[in-house]
Amino acid sequence: QGQLVQSGGEVKKPGASVKVSCKASGYPFNSYGVSWVRQAPGRGLEWMGWISPYNGNTKYAQIFQGRVTMTTDTSTTTAYMELRSLRSDDTAVYYCARDSPRKAMDAWGQGTTVTVFS
Amino acid sequence: EIVLTQSPGTLSLSPGERATLSCRASQSLSSSSLAWYQQKPGQAPRLLIYVASSRATGIPDRFSGSGSGTEFTLTISRLEPEDSALYYCQQYGTSRAFGQGTKVEIK
Repeated sequence: QGQLVQSGGEVKKPGASVKVSCKASGYPFNSYGVSWVRQAPGRGLEWMGWISPYNGNTKYAQIFQGRVTMTTDTSTTTAYMELRSLRSDDTAVYYCARDSPRKAMDAWGQGTTVTVFS
Repeated sequence: EIVLTQSPGTLSLSPGERATLSCRASQSLSSSSLAWYQQKPGQAPRLLIYVASSRATGIPDRFSGSGSGTEFTLTISRLEPEDSALYYCQQYGTSRAFGQGTKVEIK
């Protein structure tokens, strides 16, 4: 199975940071990666990056390098995604997903809406 | 960076018809690391197909995937009204990337 539950919606001003959490349950947390994907209003899916809870290794999409940090807390089986220097075009629904080399993203969080406006 | 291009942009078909969605990769995908997702309005994406042709748990057998290298196809053999959705392909080899999506409309 596997279930991912994300934190609630956020409203931020331009230049601020946001940190979204993703609580995993129902599977061995260390055995799967976690990807973060966002979707701007009316747009497609955009992969932001990936983290391994096992060893903390990360891989970020180039366009987010330097502005995003992904972490995990294995004691609470929670993954986090922090995005800094927010702009209006960061307004989107942010998803976490369980990610494996074979089965791709086979479980998803419900999404967290982040709205950036002044 | 691998780029995925999906076609057509929109597919409008009647119930019972066959839908064929295409996904082309800019480079050959290792180990057929290609997945398909379905997304309905207001919902998170749902995994349909992984490693190009394996159905995910609970996915009806009217959904099938095929292809290798740079050309992949998602086929919905007999469309049902609830299949109206956006469909995305995704590569998950060396990195991850999504296609831009195909909208399937049921007449």
